[in-house]
Amino acid sequence: GESVGLHLPTLSVQEGDNSIINCAYSNSASDYFIWYKQESGKGPQFIIDIRSNMDKRQGQRVTVLLNKTVKHLSLQIAATQPGDSAVYFCAENISGYSTLTFGKGTMLLVSP
Amino acid sequence: KAGVTQTPRYLIKTRGQQVTLSCSPISGHRSVSWYQQTPGQGLQFLFEYFSETQRNKGNFPGRFSGRQFSNSRSEMNVSTLELGDSALYLCASALGGEDTQYFGPGTRLTVL
Repeated sequence: GESVGLHLPTLSVQEGDNSIINCAYSNSASDYFIWYKQESGKGPQFIIDIRSNMDKRQGQRVTVLLNKTVKHLSLQIAATQPGDSAVYFCAENISGYSTLTFGKGTMLLVSP
Repeated sequence: KAGVTQTPRYLIKTRGQQVTLSCSPISGHRSVSWYQQTPGQGLQFLFEYFSETQRNKGNFPGRFSGRQFSNSRSEMNVSTLELGDSALYLCASALGGEDTQYFGPGTRLTVL
């Protein structure tokens, strides 16, 4: 499949482990944050989002944490599975504007 | 509900030619955004259309243009193609400008 990025930070985990992917965002005015998963040859797939009035949000096997003080976002994946292997992007947005600004991405490799 | 569709999926052009890419948003979505993805620059915002009007534009030359039709379908055009235009072009749709964006599979453009 096509490569979505060369020399991406890579996180390698064993199946069943918990994974934590980090992201530093750039704009202190950003108030909406999204995590996307991109598999080879596919477009980004929405995973979970969080608004700036929250510091934690949970989904199915995923949790997003937001620290506005240090402009840091993290995605936690519980019981990581081989199907979770992909590139993960964080994106930031300012309410009232439709533009998403994406981070560089992190490649997650899950070994069975 | 069908997802975002993009046509064609793959395209090969030569320098100097022009190209038109098409995007059909999720039914009911009125906002369509376009992004360029390259290994070196990552995901970069091109422009966003809402109700046939361009509302936001990224930092790309005027060779990149787009439009949206009354049924919310959108096209993107690149004129006088350059080698550096080789990329994955992604379309994302949303209900409105501030809602979650859902991506299509992309069009892989190769310029020779």
